[in-house]
Amino acid sequence: EVQLVESGGGLVQPGRSLKLSCAASGFTFSNYYMAWVRQAPKKGLEWVATISTSGSRTYYPDSVKGRFTISRDNAKSSLYLQMNSLKSEDTATYYCARAPSWYFDFWGPGTMVTVSS
Amino acid sequence: DIVMTQGALPNPVPSGESASITCQSSKSLLHSNGKTYLNWYLQRPGQSPQLLIYWMSTRASGVSDRFSGSGSGTDFTLKISSVEAEDVGVYYCQQFLEYPNTFGAGTKLELK
Repeated sequence: EVQLVESGGGLVQPGRSLKLSCAASGFTFSNYYMAWVRQAPKKGLEWVATISTSGSRTYYPDSVKGRFTISRDNAKSSLYLQMNSLKSEDTATYYCARAPSWYFDFWGPGTMVTVSS
Repeated sequence: DIVMTQGALPNPVPSGESASITCQSSKSLLHSNGKTYLNWYLQRPGQSPQLLIYWMSTRASGVSDRFSGSGSGTDFTLKISSVEAEDVGVYYCQQFLEYPNTFGAGTKLELK
């Protein structure tokens, strides 16, 4: 059974950093692109980052480019999101998602990040 | 960026009736390979999103055949035949033709 479990969320002050993790199981992690998608409270979905199977290619929207870094450890079947210079508008639930092709077929339950002083 | 615009539903929808959700993209999502990179997701209350339809009309594994996707390069429809209680939630369309991947604002389905 495919499982994605995010962790690392919490309350953080503006300007500080936080690193999210996603533990994957039930499939060959190294064969899949992976992504992060976030959802601000009571709002819609926003794509945050995507990483290729080897980690050599990464993609970001302008809203997080230069502040967020997606990475992966295929030996540990783990996905990460390093978030720096956090802003209040980064407050959201962050989902880890698997991307077998041009879609996200499995999503984790999410981890909440609150940026506030 | 490609803008995705979703239509509203005349909520609440009577149980057993059909419902159609529309989505429009600001640019054609038809790729040169013949695939149209438009996906549909359902987010049930308190849950994470789940994939319903990908490449405009291909049903994801385990998804009921009451869900069907159709459309052209810029105008898309998700049809739910015989709406049931488990269909309640917010439906999102997403374009995957190019980065940044963008989602529609969501369409809420409520059951009568």
